[in-house]
Amino acid sequence: GDSVTQMEGPVTLSEEAFLTINCTYTATGYPSLFWYVQYPGEGLQLLLKATKADDKGSNKGFEATYRKETTSFHLEKGSVQVSDSAVYFCALSDNAGANNLFFGTGTRLTVIP
Amino acid sequence: EAGVTQFPSHSVIEKGQTVTLRCDPISGHDNLYWYRRVMGKEIKFLLHFVKESKQDESGMPNNRFLAERTGGTYSTLKVQPAELEDSGVYFCASSPAGTGGGYTFGSGTRLTVV
Repeated sequence: GDSVTQMEGPVTLSEEAFLTINCTYTATGYPSLFWYVQYPGEGLQLLLKATKADDKGSNKGFEATYRKETTSFHLEKGSVQVSDSAVYFCALSDNAGANNLFFGTGTRLTVIP
Repeated sequence: EAGVTQFPSHSVIEKGQTVTLRCDPISGHDNLYWYRRVMGKEIKFLLHFVKESKQDESGMPNNRFLAERTGGTYSTLKVQPAELEDSGVYFCASSPAGTGGGYTFGSGTRLTVV
């Protein structure tokens, strides 16, 4: 079945450090891939998405590229800020009709000044 | 545009009691989803409504969980009787017809069963 494996956390970085959160997936067919973010006290927000191989999703300085050959969708940011502290979830939608999402376990990021 | 609203935001109940969670989707969104995150684990799909009909309820853990969406507007998720393992955060999401996964999520209801 479909699944997402996400880098274990928590991750603690200093401000302006480079961030990578690894995500790999297993899916039949051609899924769409997403990164969601949950800031403290808030709901899940869509951060970025990619719907086909080699697409790059980007938002707020974050990027992720849909790599079909390695079944990966790693999240990167060149210079993190304290305000990026949150829990990040990788997810896929199998596009088979129901469009329900399969999530990873989440990675808690803490950025310290 | 108002977002997806869930309440209560927190609920603490004793094992064996009943709890009802409510979700108000964005007006006009046909699709409504329930998800659950048990502590430290992945967020898992529970079920999907299209308007008032259950499109997919394959993720519902057992028959102690009952979801309804009367009139295709708000939805409720009832847990009766609650067990300790039901503790977690319950998320609701909605999307317009035909959307591919880009939902709007609510802030979630944190349920603690003691």
